[in-house]
Amino acid sequence: KAGVTQTPRYLIKTRGQQVTLSCSPISGHRSVSWYQQTPGQGLQFLFEYFSETQRNKGNFPGRFSGRQFSNSRSEMNVSTLELGDSALYLCASSLDRRSASQYFGPGTRLLVL
Amino acid sequence: AQKITQTQPGMFVQEKEAVTLDCTYDTSDPSYGLFWYKQPSSGEMIFLIYQGSYDQQNATEGRYSLNFQKARKSANLVISASQLGDSAMYFCAMREEVSNTGNQFYFGTGTSLTVIP
Repeated sequence: KAGVTQTPRYLIKTRGQQVTLSCSPISGHRSVSWYQQTPGQGLQFLFEYFSETQRNKGNFPGRFSGRQFSNSRSEMNVSTLELGDSALYLCASSLDRRSASQYFGPGTRLLVL
Repeated sequence: AQKITQTQPGMFVQEKEAVTLDCTYDTSDPSYGLFWYKQPSSGEMIFLIYQGSYDQQNATEGRYSLNFQKARKSANLVISASQLGDSAMYFCAMREEVSNTGNQFYFGTGTSLTVIP
């Protein structure tokens, strides 16, 4: 079974631009969560999606948004990029919202100049 | 208050010895899950082990076991027979399962484990 895939793997943008990151969960997994990892703040929860609905959101500004499609694939969008948005963005999938395991993708490393 | 606390920024262990990585958590929700992940220098997050708040037995997965002490709100990871490939960053995480507002996830700051040959 293929693991969680994220595209692109690396991205360089400039301040003010927007970016869309994609995550394809493990086949059959319906729950997708997104995280931001930075050296200063560590790993922080962004959103959780299940059945095409955002179930919860972490403490991030409205510039961060996302969606989930009927095939469980998910995208996250960051508008009006700031230097502080430079981070590793990780996506994780699980069978459902109470699953005893959660598998991460390799991440998208975003650099904002 | 921190939701997940890992008090050991760095740990060293001799190859083939056992090591315990500490994790304490803070929640008032009765339903939650505790996870441990390994992050090697390559950056990928590898799921290791899970413990549900209602599980009576401590979780075990191969050389990994979770020492779950609910009253103390601790969920320490025990790695037995350490191998050189165990050198990595280890994160403890909690999923708070609130039925009306959805899951919230919290991660600790991590413990860097170095296995010495």
